[in-house]
Amino acid sequence: NAGVTQTPKFQVLKTGQSMTLQCAQDMNHEYMSWYRQDPGMGLRLIHYSVGAGITDQGEVPNGYNVSRSTTEDFPLRLLSAAPSQTSVYFCASSKLGLETQYFGPGTRLLVL
Amino acid sequence: GESVGLHLPTLSVQEGDNSIINCAYSNSASDYFIWYKQESGKGPQFIIDIRSNMDKRQGQRVTVLLNKTVKHLSLQIAATQPGDSAVYFCAETRRGGGSYIPTFGRGTSLIVHP
Repeated sequence: NAGVTQTPKFQVLKTGQSMTLQCAQDMNHEYMSWYRQDPGMGLRLIHYSVGAGITDQGEVPNGYNVSRSTTEDFPLRLLSAAPSQTSVYFCASSKLGLETQYFGPGTRLLVL
Repeated sequence: GESVGLHLPTLSVQEGDNSIINCAYSNSASDYFIWYKQESGKGPQFIIDIRSNMDKRQGQRVTVLLNKTVKHLSLQIAATQPGDSAVYFCAETRRGGGSYIPTFGRGTSLIVHP
């Protein structure tokens, strides 16, 4: 199993550009989530999903959209990037009811 | 709102010593706590967890203690090794949509000197 994979590893955007961060898992996990991590801070939940077709907002959802059309994939979309969205983004997954989350390697995003 | 925090942002120890990383939580309704380890440039990795109806749980070289009276959580690492150098996060969790949604603290950086 590849576990949780994220692409790209690094990305530089200009203010106002859009992009999609990809996340995929091959463990048949129902629960997937997106976090951002800023220097000196813990991870903050952006959006999460408990299954295909079901998504919900986390602590910091503004400026981000998600969709869950399949069990395996959970892309995160930035429609109009802002410098405040410069961060490291982590995707995670787990079985529903089981608490161990498996994290991807992260995507480093710089918005100029 | 409720928050999870850590007492010490950086902890330096010598190889072979025992390490103790502390965490304070404020949400008395949290029923599940997790410790994660994050190495430089990588995603967090699950270490150990504990439910609110327990006060101690042991793993391989690690022990988590939960004191609900003072809302305090600690991670003990025995015989600390250089490979233990990382940032450690505690997280309190609440149930949402059939799964547990964690709220992370800021993290403690553990530095192990050989």
